[in-house]
Parts: sequence; structure tokens; C-alpha cells
Amino acid sequence: EVVMTQSPATLSVSPGHRVTFSCRASQSVSNSLAWYQQKHGQVPRLLIYGASTRATGVPARFSGSGSGTEFTLTVTSLQSEDFAVYFCQQYDNWPFTFGQGTTLEIK
Amino acid sequence: VRLVESGGGLVQPGGSLRLSCAASGFSVSSNYVTWVRQAPGKGLEWVSVIYAGGKTDYVDSVKGRFTISRDISKNTVYLQLTGLRHEDTSMYYCVRGGIFLYRGQGTLVTVSS
Repeated sequence: EVVMTQSPATLSVSPGHRVTFSCRASQSVSNSLAWYQQKHGQVPRLLIYGASTRATGVPARFSGSGSGTEFTLTVTSLQSEDFAVYFCQQYDNWPFTFGQGTTLEIK
Repeated sequence: VRLVESGGGLVQPGGSLRLSCAASGFSVSSNYVTWVRQAPGKGLEWVSVIYAGGKTDYVDSVKGRFTISRDISKNTVYLQLTGLRHEDTSMYYCVRGGIFLYRGQGTLVTVSS
């Protein structure tokens, strides 16, 4: 099983600032990497797939990069609605697996 | 693309259920379809997959208890759940492919005595 590790567990950032989330895979997953945003009590929302392709309707301030084992999600100019938990997920090897998540909180 | 799940419900430990996923807008014979679940307060867990060629796979926690299958004539994928445990209580979603984009609305499975 591919283990996905996200760091750090929590980020405290002020609105309007930029934030970068990190995700590492225990083995190469090529570019089969997705990022999700989840708010309390809601179903996860897909942000990025294919490591860098924004899903329909996702604002341009969200961007993804990386391949192989190292990936990042960057959010520029944080808005109030962006404060949530962010997960990465690989879909290259079964079982598809998620990272443990990074909580983005308001500083 | 549309997926509609059905078949969830309340079942006692050790019981069985069959979940159905009726697909439209794509063919289950040429796409892989997965089942994903989310337990209350927990994250998503990919449970099972059926590939276009018919090969199937499962997460370790359900191997030997769950069976995925499909009826190409009905464009429908099934998940047979047997030997149900309390920890199987979840919302079950059927998903086209490996990302949580094209999915159904979910069907709730509650395992309780």
C-alpha cells in the first residue's frame, strides 16, 4: 500500500497570504495525485487531479505541482472560505490512499 | 455522467446487503468503477474496484466479505456486502475512476444490533 504523508498537520496563516501544502508518497505515483478540500460535515471537494489540473469551478488561486513522490498544493491570497482541511490522494496503485490531512486555520 | 446508488439500510452484525450503482453517461464496460465509503467523522476509504477488463480488487479490511460485480447490459455495478461489522457503517459512494469527482449521492449502510 502506498503511504501518503502530509506535512505539517496544521498551518496557521492570515487571510490574504499564500500557503503551500506538502504531500509525499512512499513510492512513485507518477502524476496520479489529487487534492481535496473538506469542511466539517461536508463531502470532500475535489480541487486538483493529475497533480496539476484544476477541477471545474475551482478558483485559479489554487494550483498543484509535482510528480513521482513529491507534490505541493499552493493557495495564493487566502480567502475566508479556504480555511478547511486539505487531503492528498494517490490513484496510481490500488488501494488508492489518502494522506492524513493538513488543517488550515486562521492566524 | 450520472451514478445512482441504492440498497443501503440497517442491518445486524453478520448480515448482508447488496448495493447497486446505476450509471449513465458512460459505459461501465470501458471505465473502471470504484466504491468509496466514509464512516461518520472519518475520512474517505476506497473499498473496491472493478476495472474495464473485469478484474476486481479490494482493500484488505473487506477482502473475503465484499464482492464487486457488474451487469454490462444494465450498465450497473454492484457491491455485495456480507459478514457486516459495526465498523462497516458508512456512507457508500460509487465513483467513476479513481478520483472523487463523478460520484453518486451515496447510500447509507448502518450495521447495528
